[in-house]
Amino acid sequence: GDSVTQMEGPVTLSEEAFLTINCTYTATGYPSLFWYVQYPGEGLQLLLKATKADDKGSNKGFEATYRKETTSFHLEKGSVQVSDSAVYFCALSDTQGAQKLVFGQGTRLTINP
Amino acid sequence: EAGVAQSPRYKIIEKRQSVAFWCNPISGHATLYWYQQILGQGPKLLIQFQNNGVVDDSQLPKDRFSAERLKGVDSTLKIQPAKLEDSAVYLCASSYTGGPGEQFFGPGTRLTVL
Repeated sequence: GDSVTQMEGPVTLSEEAFLTINCTYTATGYPSLFWYVQYPGEGLQLLLKATKADDKGSNKGFEATYRKETTSFHLEKGSVQVSDSAVYFCALSDTQGAQKLVFGQGTRLTINP
Repeated sequence: EAGVAQSPRYKIIEKRQSVAFWCNPISGHATLYWYQQILGQGPKLLIQFQNNGVVDDSQLPKDRFSAERLKGVDSTLKIQPAKLEDSAVYLCASSYTGGPGEQFFGPGTRLTVL
């Protein structure tokens, strides 16, 4: 079945550092791709998405590009802030059946001032 | 617009006991999902409803888990009897339609089975 693999955490950076969180996927078709974020004490919320190859999703300074040739959807931000500390989940919409979300294991990000 | 509501937020039970979780989706959202999130892992879909019909329950352990969505609005997920490995956060999500659109998640119920 479809699956998502994320870079292992935790990741600790200093404020204003450049962020990359790697995400690769396996799918038999052409899924939509998502990054969800879970801030401390809050529920999961959609950060950005891309629905077809070469699409770039962006939000709050974060970006990710759907790369079909490398089956990747890496999350990047040029200058992180303390408020970006959270757990980040890469996900795809299953290409079979009901198109449920399939999540990676999550990457915990901590930004130090 | 009110978000997805879940209750209780926390529950501690002994193994072999039963437990129920409640979810009220965003008004007008036809699709409702229940996910299980074990510590250190991503959420895993347990069951998906479209209105009051089941779309996907392939990963629901049906010998102990059950879920219903009467009248196509709120939903209840039950575990009976609970096992130690059921300790997890149970997330409810809803979306306007099924498919690759955005899902809106509730705060979750943290279950601890002792």
